[in-house]
Amino acid sequence: QKEVEQNSGPLSVPEGAIASLNCTYSDRGSQSFFWYRQYSGKSPELIMFIYSNGDKEDGRFTAQLNKASQYVSLLIRDSQPSDSATYLCAVNPGGGGYNKLIFGAGTRLAVHP
Amino acid sequence: EPEVTQTPSHQVTQMGQEVILRCVPISNHLYFYWYRQILGQKVEFLVSFYNNEISEKSEIFDDQFSVERPDGSNFTLKIRSTKLEDSAMYFCASSGTGFGYGYTFGSGTRLTVV
Repeated sequence: QKEVEQNSGPLSVPEGAIASLNCTYSDRGSQSFFWYRQYSGKSPELIMFIYSNGDKEDGRFTAQLNKASQYVSLLIRDSQPSDSATYLCAVNPGGGGYNKLIFGAGTRLAVHP
Repeated sequence: EPEVTQTPSHQVTQMGQEVILRCVPISNHLYFYWYRQILGQKVEFLVSFYNNEISEKSEIFDDQFSVERPDGSNFTLKIRSTKLEDSAMYFCASSGTGFGYGYTFGSGTRLTVV
């Protein structure tokens, strides 16, 4: 069973702080990794994706990938109350599941003023 | 910005009835998907569709489920005989030729089976 694990939270951070969200995955053959944001009752919204080991930055967001440790993280700098949502880690598995995603249960982030 | 459109936004149906959930993917996308999310649980893959056929399906996608692309724009999910446990949010998604860029999800259909 290919799994994606996330701490359910809530992760509470003050406005302006850095929020750090973590994800581990079980399938070592996984190809690509995605972070989605989901507001309550809404659909997932793609924040960013990463394929290669290291960091990838997009505005206030940085994704970090360590394939040896099977670990993906998302850093949100200068957190805003509008960032309060559930953050979903999703993994494209290897072994032929080339165009599907396996989602973690999500980490709930609360940014307080 | 292009959108994936889903209708209806909410559907209530009696157990045992058939439902059809509708989606209009982004027009130049080639890959289409259905996912579901039971309240408070993970987003789960149901099926992927490419070139007018199913490319992959999960164990959830049993004989009660079917998908169809009846014309050049719509993509539908049919549940033949709904069960209480089918109550969930159903998301349609589509992606272009470069899957690696991720999907765009529709806004979802909340299915309630009573």
